Amino acid sequence: EAGVAQSPRYKIIEKRQSVAFWCNPISGHATLYWYQQILGQGPKLLIQFQNNGVVDDSQLPKDRFSAERLKGVDSTLKIQPAKLEDSAVYLCASSLGQGPERAFFGQGTRLTVV
Amino acid sequence: KQEVTQIPAALSVPEGENLVLNCSFTDSAIYNLQWFRQDPGKGLTSLLLIQSSQREQTSGRLNASLDKSSGRSTLYIAASQPGDSATYLCAVRSNDYKLSFGAGTTVTVRA
Repeated sequence: EAGVAQSPRYKIIEKRQSVAFWCNPISGHATLYWYQQILGQGPKLLIQFQNNGVVDDSQLPKDRFSAERLKGVDSTLKIQPAKLEDSAVYLCASSLGQGPERAFFGQGTRLTVV
Repeated sequence: KQEVTQIPAALSVPEGENLVLNCSFTDSAIYNLQWFRQDPGKGLTSLLLIQSSQREQTSGRLNASLDKSSGRSTLYIAASQPGDSATYLCAVRSNDYKLSFGAGTTVTVRA
């Protein structure tokens, strides 16, 4: 079974530039999550999709971050414009559903804003 | 809002010693609790999943217990090896469908 795929693995940008991350969840998984993990901290949920609908985006900085999940499969997370404090690992995860199912994570994208 | 706490933040033990990692959560209305391993620069690898109706789960040298009423879970790793060195994260799926993480415990096993 293929896992959660993320790209790119690494990205370095200057502040005020824009950047986009891509995630392909495990086939058939209805729930998709984007997490931000700052060095030394646990992952923080940015947005959660159920199919192509948003379940929770309460911690997404909507003035600069946006995310979409087209056709309930792949997802992209965008930051525009980036700030220094956005430097983190961005993790995508998926699960069959939102209840008792196990969540599977991708390798993450490490973003450095300089 | 679910708050997840992991103590200690870091742990260093000699090879062969048993490891005990603690996780506590504030809201007992949960679907399940999941333990993950994270190696430096990598994503999260799922180790064990305990449903809210279960008391424990075992996989090889790993055993995780869950006391939902007191809001606690413990991950035991028997006979630790240098390869067990990593950060261990617990995550709680609450009844509002959110998956909340602790900050993790970084384990170093000394050869």
